Amino acid sequence: GAVVSQHPSWVICKSGTSVKIECRSLDFQATTMFWYRQFPKQSLMLMATSNEGSKATYEQGVEKDKFLINHASLTLSTLTVTSAHPEDSSFYICSARTGTDNQPQHFGDGTRLSIL
Amino acid sequence: SQQGEEDPQALSIQEGENATMNCSYKTSINNLQWYRQNSGRGLVHLILIRSNEREKHSGRLRVTLDTSKKSSSLLITASRAADTASYFCATAAKVTFGTGTKLQVIP
Repeated sequence: GAVVSQHPSWVICKSGTSVKIECRSLDFQATTMFWYRQFPKQSLMLMATSNEGSKATYEQGVEKDKFLINHASLTLSTLTVTSAHPEDSSFYICSARTGTDNQPQHFGDGTRLSIL
Repeated sequence: SQQGEEDPQALSIQEGENATMNCSYKTSINNLQWYRQNSGRGLVHLILIRSNEREKHSGRLRVTLDTSKKSSSLLITASRAADTASYFCATAAKVTFGTGTKLQVIP
């Protein structure tokens, strides 16, 4: 149980394109979803936290107009990287949690984004 | 910051040996969680220990928590090559991660 599906696994696109990444909880209701970014050989950097039906809370330094997060249902959150540029190339990972912070997070397998 | 910091940064052991990694944190916590990340993949939740627990076991994993020292340790016994991964600890609420311990188990 507790499976999180993240799609796509990887994407290569031209500079200026907007890219949407989906994160789905397949067998549980995700009241909270998290989006992370990870550069090579570095730790995960939390970008934003979203609760179903509410606006996402962004971490300091993360542009909300650049990284649009939607959490419209208890099983789906999306991250849209708008007008992507090469510096946005990274590994993006989502996670989902049900209930309170006494519950573990369940992670997707990540999306490798390469902007040419 | 609510993130944990892992120590050592890297650890290389022979298969069959035990691996111990440590985590320190700064704030008060409800629980502490350990995760594993294989290269290029998402994180896998290993174990959650609550603030009122001192030790917890799950298979070959043993986690301890000392809230007075704001530290935790993860012990992997009888390590296997498949245990090669990066290991992270995280405190709850807003889950942020340290740099992790990169474990290499040599067959």
